[in-house]
Amino acid sequence: GAVVSQHPSWVICKSGTSVKIECRSLDFQATTMFWYRQFPKQSLMLMATSNEGSKATYEQGVEKDKFLINHASLTLSTLTVTSAHPEDSSFYICSARSPGGNQPQHFGDGTRLSIL
Amino acid sequence: TQLLEQSPQFLSIQEGENLTVYCNSSSVFSSLQWYRQEPGEGPVLLVTVVTGGEVKKLKRLTFQFGDARKDSSLHITAAQPGDTGLYLCPRLRGQGNLIFGKGTKLSVKP
Repeated sequence: GAVVSQHPSWVICKSGTSVKIECRSLDFQATTMFWYRQFPKQSLMLMATSNEGSKATYEQGVEKDKFLINHASLTLSTLTVTSAHPEDSSFYICSARSPGGNQPQHFGDGTRLSIL
Repeated sequence: TQLLEQSPQFLSIQEGENLTVYCNSSSVFSSLQWYRQEPGEGPVLLVTVVTGGEVKKLKRLTFQFGDARKDSSLHITAAQPGDTGLYLCPRLRGQGNLIFGKGTKLSVKP
């Protein structure tokens, strides 16, 4: 089945650091990828939709200058958390969708980000 | 706006018991997906239902799509600790992105 790989799986860094998270579709081309954030004991919250070769579409309340998304190829999207602060600590999950109608989303295993 | 509500929000049962989780909406859906998320991992797609009245089985899990395609249920027979997780039925929006509700957190105790 379709596999989505996310890297790194765990990041701990100091406040003020910028952190890049990669999301790769391993066996299919994904024109669209999605980034979610999940706080403890809560459900997934969609942050943005990443389209290959164009600007990402951000959900209301998500700062695009804070969360930079780049989807430079059909198999890779990156999320960069700029100048991270402790309140940015969360579980970040990406997903990718195979091209074609009604295709399901396949999720990565998430990245646990802890900002000290 | 299509709103999806899941119930119950929390469920704690003993191994071997049966349970049903519900996903209800006031709107008609062209299709509906069920996911399960285990702690520290991404959600995994369990099933997609498309046709009103459709029933799909995945081992001990039975998924049903309502005749009017406004609701769905997930029934687990003889639950096992490995079934523990967060069960999600997100709604599909616009660009194909999924909007997740709170889900149903299931805990199966041995």
